Amino acid sequence: EDQVTQSPEALRLQEGESSSLNCSYTVSGLRGLFWYRQDPGKGPEFLFTLYSAGEEKEKERLKATLTKKESFLHITAPKPEDSATYLCAVQARRMNRDDKIIFGKGTRLHILP
Amino acid sequence: IAGITQAPTSQILAAGRRMTLRCTQDMRHNAMYWYRQDLGLGLRLIHYSNTAGTTGKGEVPDGYSVSRANTDDFPLTLASAVPSQTSVYFCASSAFPRGMDNSPLHFGNGTRLTVT
Repeated sequence: EDQVTQSPEALRLQEGESSSLNCSYTVSGLRGLFWYRQDPGKGPEFLFTLYSAGEEKEKERLKATLTKKESFLHITAPKPEDSATYLCAVQARRMNRDDKIIFGKGTRLHILP
Repeated sequence: IAGITQAPTSQILAAGRRMTLRCTQDMRHNAMYWYRQDLGLGLRLIHYSNTAGTTGKGEVPDGYSVSRANTDDFPLTLASAVPSQTSVYFCASSAFPRGMDNSPLHFGNGTRLTVT
C-alpha cells in the first residue's frame, strides 16, 4: 500500500538551531517527491521536486535530499519566518498514467526568536 | 498576480443545503483538482480534471460533484451538505495531468466550510 509518513509531527526550535524533517515513503514506482510549505490560513506553497535517489535541491535556508526510502528537509540556522507546516507528497506511477499523489500529514515547525 | 482564486473564503451552511465552491485559475494549466484538508488526515483528493471537458473521481468523491466547462474554472458542488463535509477545501492546478509529468501543484488559499 502506498504510504507517506512525516516525522516529527511538530518541532520547536530556537532561532539559529538547525534540524531536519523526515518524510518516509513506500510507493510502487516513484515519479517525484514534492515538498510544500503551508502557512496558517493559506494553501500549500511549492518548494521542491526531487526525482531520484541522491538528488538534492536548495533554497535559502532549506535543503531537500532524497534516498530510495525517505527524504529529508534540512533547515539551517532557521529564522522565525520559517515557522510553518511542511508537507511532503509523493507521486506514484500508475499503469493507466493517472498517477496518484499521496500527501503526508505534515510537520508543524515553530521557530522561537 | 497569477494563481488560483477560491470563493468564498469561508461559509457556514445548514445541513441539507446545496453549495458551490468556486475556483478560477489564470495560469492556463491543463489539470485542476479539489482537495479537502482535515486535522489528522491531511490532504485528500475529491475530484480532478485532466483537461477541460473531462473529470475524474479521487479518494473521497461521495457527496461532491464537479464540472470543467473551460480551462479556467472548476467549481465543486455539494448537492446536500452533511456535517462530515465540514472541512477546508483547496483547489489546485498543475501544468499537465499526473502521469504526463511531475509538474507541481499550485494551490488556492482555501474555503473553510462549516456544515451545521
